[in-house]
Amino acid sequence: EDQVTQSPEALRLQEGESSSLNCSYTVSGLRGLFWYRQDPGKGPEFLFTLYSAGEEKEKERLKATLTKKESFLHITAPKPEDSATYLCAVQASASGGSYIPTFGRGTSLIVHP
Amino acid sequence: NAGVTQTPKFQVLKTGQSMTLQCAQDMNHEYMSWYRQDPGMGLRLIHYSVGAGITDQGEVPNGYNVSRSTTEDFPLRLLSAAPSQTSVYFCASSYSQYQETQYFGPGTRLLVL
Repeated sequence: EDQVTQSPEALRLQEGESSSLNCSYTVSGLRGLFWYRQDPGKGPEFLFTLYSAGEEKEKERLKATLTKKESFLHITAPKPEDSATYLCAVQASASGGSYIPTFGRGTSLIVHP
Repeated sequence: NAGVTQTPKFQVLKTGQSMTLQCAQDMNHEYMSWYRQDPGMGLRLIHYSVGAGITDQGEVPNGYNVSRSTTEDFPLRLLSAAPSQTSVYFCASSYSQYQETQYFGPGTRLLVL
């Protein structure tokens, strides 16, 4: 059974204080790992897809990295508008033709001005 | 380009009532899916569709029904609502079942009394 564990559950940062969010996973053959941002009362917003260990992707103050067991979302010099819940999901290589993703519970990030 | 739209935004049902949650996308995406999001749990896939006329079950399909008669629309039907179906429901779409760059709708909050 595929599993995704995100840590910490909640994180409070001061504006400009860089940090990282963790997504640990177990999956029988990783096809893709996804990061989403979710603002309160809204649907998740896609950020990144990572496919293989060593891959990195960047968007503004966010950088996602991937190893064989975990992914990190690094936030550099965060601003209050980066406050949101960040979700991680994994998708296993096709089993019976389905690509059902497994989501973690998310990390709630609050950035104080 | 409206993206993924969902109606209603909020609904209150009594146990045993039925209803349909509407979802539409204008991006010509083949893959559409329904998730539910509950406190303390990750998003869970209810049903998905890889194209018009093709649907399949996700992780938690019991009590829900779907159909896909057009590329644009993917309604979710609650056959006989139960309090356990109180949740926030998200519809999502992507170009393919590999779900790169998956777009989520704004969600429907459902309360079953």
